Amino acid sequence: SQKIEQNSEALNIQEGKTATLTCNYTNYSPAYLQWYRQDPGRGPVFLLLIRENEKEKRKERLKVTFDTTLKQSLFHITASQPADSATYLCARPYSGYSTLTFGKGTMLLVSP
Amino acid sequence: GAVVSQHPSWVICKSGTSVKIECRSLDFQATTMFWYRQFPKQSLMLMATSNEGSKATYEQGVEKDKFLINHASLTLSTLTVTSAHPEDSSFYICSARYEAGKLYEQYFGPGTRLTVT
Repeated sequence: SQKIEQNSEALNIQEGKTATLTCNYTNYSPAYLQWYRQDPGRGPVFLLLIRENEKEKRKERLKVTFDTTLKQSLFHITASQPADSATYLCARPYSGYSTLTFGKGTMLLVSP
Repeated sequence: GAVVSQHPSWVICKSGTSVKIECRSLDFQATTMFWYRQFPKQSLMLMATSNEGSKATYEQGVEKDKFLINHASLTLSTLTVTSAHPEDSSFYICSARYEAGKLYEQYFGPGTRLTVT
């Protein structure tokens, strides 16, 4: 089965620093990976999608990488702010382009 | 764009009653919608895939007679929890698939907190 593993421990960083979250997957590389943000008591919000043939993708202060050799995606938030504090979820399709399976998420806490 | 709404946002019901949750894609048509359940500090667990005009596909371990799903139009899917029990108390989240060529971006509703007393 396809698994997504994210660090279950919360990541605490200071405002202004770069936060880096890790997502590891098993078995074959998916056609794409997606990253979501989830605030307590809310549904996930789509952030970025990165295709298998893309090494890196950026959106404002966000950057995602996709390393098929390491079977890993890294999610970076530069110049982090307390408002970035949330749980970040990584997701991959079960197979091909199909339904997504999610990791448990990593909680990010940015202190002022 | 790509907004998904869910109603109600929270509901409290008595054990043995049924509750209906609505999920709407507001600015796009979704042939496929998904229903998830999430327990505190746990990952999203897919319950079922809802396809417009056909029967839903349930994940292993999810009782289809207990969790009734209807996807009658391209913008509306409903989940009915029948004969609810306290163990059904959870956060239910729907998602609608936005198809951009071969890539599927999923957009989520804000969730419904169900408490069964």
